[in-house]
Amino acid sequence: AQSVTQLGSHVSVSEGALVLLRCNYSSSVPPYLFWYVQYPNQGLQLLLKYTTGATLVKGINGFEAEFKKSETSFHLTKPSAHMSDAAEYFCAVRTGGNNRLAFGKGNQVVVIP
Amino acid sequence: DAGVTQSPTHLIKTRGQHVTLRCSPISGHKSVSWYQQALGQGPQFIFQYYEEEERQRGNFPDRFSGHQFPNYSSELNVNALLLGDSALYLCASSLGTGSMREQYFGPGTRLTVT
Repeated sequence: AQSVTQLGSHVSVSEGALVLLRCNYSSSVPPYLFWYVQYPNQGLQLLLKYTTGATLVKGINGFEAEFKKSETSFHLTKPSAHMSDAAEYFCAVRTGGNNRLAFGKGNQVVVIP
Repeated sequence: DAGVTQSPTHLIKTRGQHVTLRCSPISGHKSVSWYQQALGQGPQFIFQYYEEEERQRGNFPDRFSGHQFPNYSSELNVNALLLGDSALYLCASSLGTGSMREQYFGPGTRLTVT
């Protein structure tokens, strides 16, 4: 079964510093990978996705992620954190031949002024 | 265009009771999926409906059931509520069930079981 692992439930980053959230996946088929963001009391918003093609994927709000098959990773980065980036971030993988998603446990990002 | 809408926003129930949550997909979307997000956890897939049929089901007991109507809106029903059913329930809609079909999430219904 496909799954993702996100380590470090809480991540603190200084405003203006690099944001790095790690995601490793397990998949028996070529993976489709996603990062979602969840603001307090809201649903999930898609940040970016990898399906096929270019391994460096750019998303909204200045985020990007790189698919590395050899490392089974899909880490999320943003060069300079902004206060508005404080939220919970989830990595997810498509399971099987459909669009059902398996999510990691999430990273709660705190931005320190 | 309106996004995915869910009702109610919040709900408090007592153990043993029954609850119905509702979801209206984006116009034109025929597939609705339901996810349960417990506090501090990622969402877990409950089931998916497409054209009024349950197409897939996650590892949830039969107390969790659903329905999709001809207008593609959907209900999630939970019987014999347990304290552990307290969670945020998310609905997601998509054009179809194909792997390339992006899911769009609603704001969720926060269920508290006391």
